[in-house]
Amino acid sequence: DVVLTQTPVSLLISLGGQASISCRSSQSLVHSNGNTYLHWYLQKPGQSPQLLIYQVSNRFSGIPDRFSGSGSGTDFTLKISRVEPEDLGVYYCLQRTHNPWTFGGGTKLELK
Amino acid sequence: EVQLVESGGGLVQPGASLKLSCVASGFTFSDYWMSWVRQTPGKTMEWIGDIKYDGSYTNYAPSLKNRFTISRDNAKSTLYLQMSNVRSEDTATYYCTNNYDYWGQGVMVTVSS
Repeated sequence: DVVLTQTPVSLLISLGGQASISCRSSQSLVHSNGNTYLHWYLQKPGQSPQLLIYQVSNRFSGIPDRFSGSGSGTDFTLKISRVEPEDLGVYYCLQRTHNPWTFGGGTKLELK
Repeated sequence: EVQLVESGGGLVQPGASLKLSCVASGFTFSDYWMSWVRQTPGKTMEWIGDIKYDGSYTNYAPSLKNRFTISRDNAKSTLYLQMSNVRSEDTATYYCTNNYDYWGQGVMVTVSS
């Protein structure tokens, strides 16, 4: 199975600051069709996960441009600029290139 | 507005069976692949499986495929997860999701004697 390693495990950020989360895969996430099925989610306290970014860098409907995704192959990054209180929670990456689909262990974003 | 509402969870004894439901609204259910994902008490996310929009194909996590079955009723816009021979390690919050875009609020399942 593909192992997704997220770093850091926790992140202390000041309001208005920038956060960067890494998701590294144990193997390339480029599908045979050329697409890369690496997605990012935010789970706010007491809520279900919400999709932020799909296929590496595409923002989902309603997601502000403060969120951006990048990367290729095995290394991916989620950046959050101008952090707001509503951004706090646990961020997960998910790969759907290789069956079985797998999640990263999560990164908890907290206020400094 | 997309809504996914899970139900059917609760306390169940080891070895028993349980069927979860997920009622969908706000989108054309029969157009979407649907999936189940669970989150353990330690917050680990685990994929359970997917079902094609017409129910003709399912795809499961290898560790669960012998005990879990996903089905759907497009006429009722409802997704199901049949769990059999449950174990303590099946204790988790279970989420349904439409193509991993939107997720339900989750339903808790606790397996304990």
